[in-house]
Amino acid sequence: DIQMTQAPSSLSASVGDRVTITCRASQSISSYVNWYQQKLGKAPKLLIYAASSLQSGVPSRFSGSGSGTDFTLTISSLQPEDFATYYCQQSYSTLITFGQGTRLDIK
Amino acid sequence: EVQLVESGGHLVQPGGSLRLSCAASGFTFTNYGMNWVRQAPGKGLEWVSSISGSGGSTYYADSVKGRFTISRDNSKNTLYLEMNSLRAEDTAVYYCAKGSTAMTPNWFDPWGQGTLVTVSS
Repeated sequence: DIQMTQAPSSLSASVGDRVTITCRASQSISSYVNWYQQKLGKAPKLLIYAASSLQSGVPSRFSGSGSGTDFTLTISSLQPEDFATYYCQQSYSTLITFGQGTRLDIK
Repeated sequence: EVQLVESGGHLVQPGGSLRLSCAASGFTFTNYGMNWVRQAPGKGLEWVSSISGSGGSTYYADSVKGRFTISRDNSKNTLYLEMNSLRAEDTAVYYCAKGSTAMTPNWFDPWGQGTLVTVSS
């Protein structure tokens, strides 16, 4: 199976900060990475697909980059509603895997 | 508007069986692969199973292979997950999620609200 390792596992930041979350795949997966946001008690929401494509309706402060094994999710200026847990997911293999999650909370 | 509504989750004893359903609306169901993802209490997301739009291709996580069966009824716009030989570690909220194409794997959007399965004596 392809392992997806996110860093950091948790992060404290302030409104207005620029935040970057990384995801590393255990093998090259081209651009087959997707990012999700999950708020407490809610279903996950797709933010970024195919490494860098912004899902319709998602604010432009969210962006994704990377290819091969290293990927990043960046939030350019944190807003109060962005405090949540973020997950990467690989869709290169039919055995889909998620990263362990990055919890983003208020400093 | 795309909607996914899961049902069927409840308390079941270890070794028991359960069938989850996911009713879909707002899109041409047969044109999209569908997926089940679970989340144990306080834990991260774990992919469980995927099925292609036609139902002809299915995939399973190693943790459920041989115990769970994914299926779909395209005439009823409904996705299913048959769960047998349930274990305590299967306790989780189970989400269904729409794939981005008829084939898998791909990204998941949207997700249903989830249904809770609790395996305990």
